[in-house]
Amino acid sequence: AQTVTQSQPEMSVQEAETVTLSCTYDTSESDYYLFWYKQPPSRQMILVIRQEAYKQQNATENRFSVNFQKAAKSFSLKISDSQLGDAAMYFCAYMTGTASKLTFGTGTRLQVTL
Amino acid sequence: GAVVSQHPSRVICKSGTSVKIECRSLDFQATTMFWYRQFPKKSLMLMATSNEGSKATYEQGVEKDKFLINHASLTLSTLTVTSAHPEDSSFYICSARDLGVSTYNSPLHFGNGTRLTVT
Repeated sequence: AQTVTQSQPEMSVQEAETVTLSCTYDTSESDYYLFWYKQPPSRQMILVIRQEAYKQQNATENRFSVNFQKAAKSFSLKISDSQLGDAAMYFCAYMTGTASKLTFGTGTRLQVTL
Repeated sequence: GAVVSQHPSRVICKSGTSVKIECRSLDFQATTMFWYRQFPKKSLMLMATSNEGSKATYEQGVEKDKFLINHASLTLSTLTVTSAHPEDSSFYICSARDLGVSTYNSPLHFGNGTRLTVT
């Protein structure tokens, strides 16, 4: 079974600074996808960024980027120029190439301070 | 963009009663929808995969008779919590994938969730 581990229950970053959220996963599959979702207090799940395992290039979406290390099964999220609106729970998630169901990590609560 | 509507957003029911939660894809068709449960300050746990026109696939440990899932059309899946008890109180979230877009390009679209409180 696939597992996703987020070892940081809480993180804090100052506004305009950079923060990295960690995620590791375990799988025997070769074809899979990785995601970072943001869940603000509204509880809405918002897709932040996604990475296809077959792509070596790290995904980037504006201030959000990932460091995908396939051999190490690591998928960290870097948030640059942090903003107050980035404060939320962040979930790392895994999906196999043949199914659409997501396996989520335990989440990291990000606080953004002034 | 693709929208998934979940209703109701909040519901309070008495112990022993049943409550139905609806999940609709508003501008796309979905043969498959997923139901998750989230405890306070916890992660999302997949409960079941809802398949249009066939039986749902439940994850290990999820009671089929307690959490009834019906996926009668390509745009609607329902989750019915039967004979609810206080321990069923939780946040339930559905998600769906756009049938018209391949897995490689389409992320799952999530509803806004339903907070169930059983008194």
